[in-house]
Amino acid sequence: EADIYQTPRYLVIGTGKKITLECSQTMGHDKMYWYQQDPGMELHLIHYSYGVNSTEKGDLSSESTVSRIRTEHFPLTLESARPSHTSQYLCASSARDRGPRYQDTIYFGEGSWLTVV
Amino acid sequence: AQSVTQLDSHVSVSEGTPVLLRCNYSSSYSPSLFWYVQHPNKGLQLLLKYTSAATLVKGINGFEAEFKKSETSFHLTKPSAHMSDAAEYFCVVRFFGNEKLTFGTGTRLTIIP
Repeated sequence: EADIYQTPRYLVIGTGKKITLECSQTMGHDKMYWYQQDPGMELHLIHYSYGVNSTEKGDLSSESTVSRIRTEHFPLTLESARPSHTSQYLCASSARDRGPRYQDTIYFGEGSWLTVV
Repeated sequence: AQSVTQLDSHVSVSEGTPVLLRCNYSSSYSPSLFWYVQHPNKGLQLLLKYTSAATLVKGINGFEAEFKKSETSFHLTKPSAHMSDAAEYFCVVRFFGNEKLTFGTGTRLTIIP
């Protein structure tokens, strides 16, 4: 298994609060991702990064922002949380396997469950 | 259009019997195919992946999947289900020239004692 860590695992916060979800990986992977998953639903890509100082928005529009100042760290921030942000957020990173990049394996963290009340 | 379809949202099998979770994809390009498992309140764990080296792929925990190009399928199987296999399973595809993962909607596997 890959070493990718997310904190906090569970968080309940009030509306309007600022929250940062932390994600770190110790494998030197260049690519990192944030996915959002509502209970019982499929995953949606909200942000990704190809390396330091690179960030891109994913397929699902999100009010969150990300930064990539260090290779191993890819935090996600919500400036003003709302109940609609209640969801599970999964961080992932991509190993550089042999062969073309579309065959690279993506490893996931255990997720951060956010509840906004 | 490129897509992945998991044909069953819920599968129930008795402990000790075979498991079959079905996945089909549509694409004009060469795919990479993955199966991930998600246990309650956990992240996704890679079970296995297909990258064109061999059509029958063996994964962890006794699972395997066979890539059938003529049927555009990548079904996941296990000869004998164990209680610990109860989880949500996602078929995931990535296509040549597009690095983003496309997830199926998931199949919830229930094991009957």
